[in-house]
Amino acid sequence: GQNIDQPTEMTATEGAIVQINCTYQTSGFNGLFWYQQHAGEAPTFLSYNVLDGLEEKGRFSSFLSRSKGYSYLLLKELQMKDSASYLCAVSGNDYKLSFGAGTTVTVRA
Amino acid sequence: GAVVSQHPSRVICKSGTSVKIECRSLDFQATTMFWYRQFPKQSLMLMATSNEGSKATYEQGVEKDKFLINHASLTLSTLTVTSAHPEDSSFYICSARGSRDYEQYFGPGTRLTVT
Repeated sequence: GQNIDQPTEMTATEGAIVQINCTYQTSGFNGLFWYQQHAGEAPTFLSYNVLDGLEEKGRFSSFLSRSKGYSYLLLKELQMKDSASYLCAVSGNDYKLSFGAGTTVTVRA
Repeated sequence: GAVVSQHPSRVICKSGTSVKIECRSLDFQATTMFWYRQFPKQSLMLMATSNEGSKATYEQGVEKDKFLINHASLTLSTLTVTSAHPEDSSFYICSARGSRDYEQYFGPGTRLTVT
């Protein structure tokens, strides 16, 4: 089975940095994804990690440690439009995605 | 590239009727399509995996006779919710994966409301 944990909510100030942690226990591993989802919309792809280390993409970075079953998504220079739900998803056997419950990030002025 | 569309975006139907939702990959061939359901304030739950030309594989607890999936071509998969009930009201999202892709590309979702 799959078990993916991430915090429920986080609040931060505009311009600040927020780190969303995700821990997982899965059967089979073909990579870890981070998605952003605004209310009422489908998820949009942010990042993909399959090897250990940090992947940087503009204001967003994602880190993976396979031995620890741990990842984080780092959001820098927060903007109001970054207020959304952030989903950690693990690709297991047959490339099926198992999603965490999502972390709602609220950015305040 | 890698655009996935869904139709309709919103549908309201009466209890007992059936509703068909289409998922299309517009600019690539999707060997595999996935159907998810998302209830309010919850995460996406995988319902079934659909491979072109073969029967869909359903996740545990998902009734295959109620949620009919057809993947007739490399660009189209359909989900039919049969004899819909109010508890089937949800956000249904499809995703598609090409043969060489690790990534799944998500459609915009379909909001189903059963009255």
